[in-house]
Amino acid sequence: TQLLEQSPQFLSIQEGENLTVYCNSSSVFSSLQWYRQEPGEGPVLLVTVVTGGEVKKLKRLTFQFGDARKDSSLHITAAQPGDTGLYLCAGAGNAGNMLTFGGGTRLMVKP
Amino acid sequence: KAGVTQTPRYLIKTRGQQVTLSCSPISGHRSVSWYQQTPGQGLQFLFEYFSETQRNKGNFPGRFSGRQFSNSRSEMNVSTLELGDSALYLCASSLAGTRGNEQYFGPGTRLTVT
Repeated sequence: TQLLEQSPQFLSIQEGENLTVYCNSSSVFSSLQWYRQEPGEGPVLLVTVVTGGEVKKLKRLTFQFGDARKDSSLHITAAQPGDTGLYLCAGAGNAGNMLTFGGGTRLMVKP
Repeated sequence: KAGVTQTPRYLIKTRGQQVTLSCSPISGHRSVSWYQQTPGQGLQFLFEYFSETQRNKGNFPGRFSGRQFSNSRSEMNVSTLELGDSALYLCASSLAGTRGNEQYFGPGTRLTVT
């Protein structure tokens, strides 16, 4: 069974601060996706990383996939209140579209 | 292009009843997956359908079942509802063959079992 450990579970920071969310596993994933979820809504896909060592940037968000494709990180620079939400990492295996989700990081950015 | 739609958005059922949830994927997407989200267990994979066939199945009891129609729309059914089935049920669609298994989620159906 593939498991994804996500940390921290909760994060409350002031506007302008930087933060990093980690997603770790002992399993290798064919790809890893990051989602953001607002209350009462479904997760919205932010990025997909596929190649070991890959780094992708989305404005103030930087995503990295570990060289061994077992871990990933999300770094937010100069966080804003609009970044508040639940961040989820999800790993995909090699069979079909089954995703294994991390437990999520609930981020609150205070103005 | 319209996103993934799910109906109904909210549902209240009594223990022992059964329920059917519906999902319409993004046009052109042939893979539909279902997930259960609860505060305690997070997001857990239920099953995936592709071209009307179940391709993957998660670790849920047989009370949870699904199907997919020729137009890729999907339904999931939960029979003999239990209190623990209260959750947000999410449907996700994917374009077959997409590298990275990118999935796009609907808004979910909030099921409350009393």
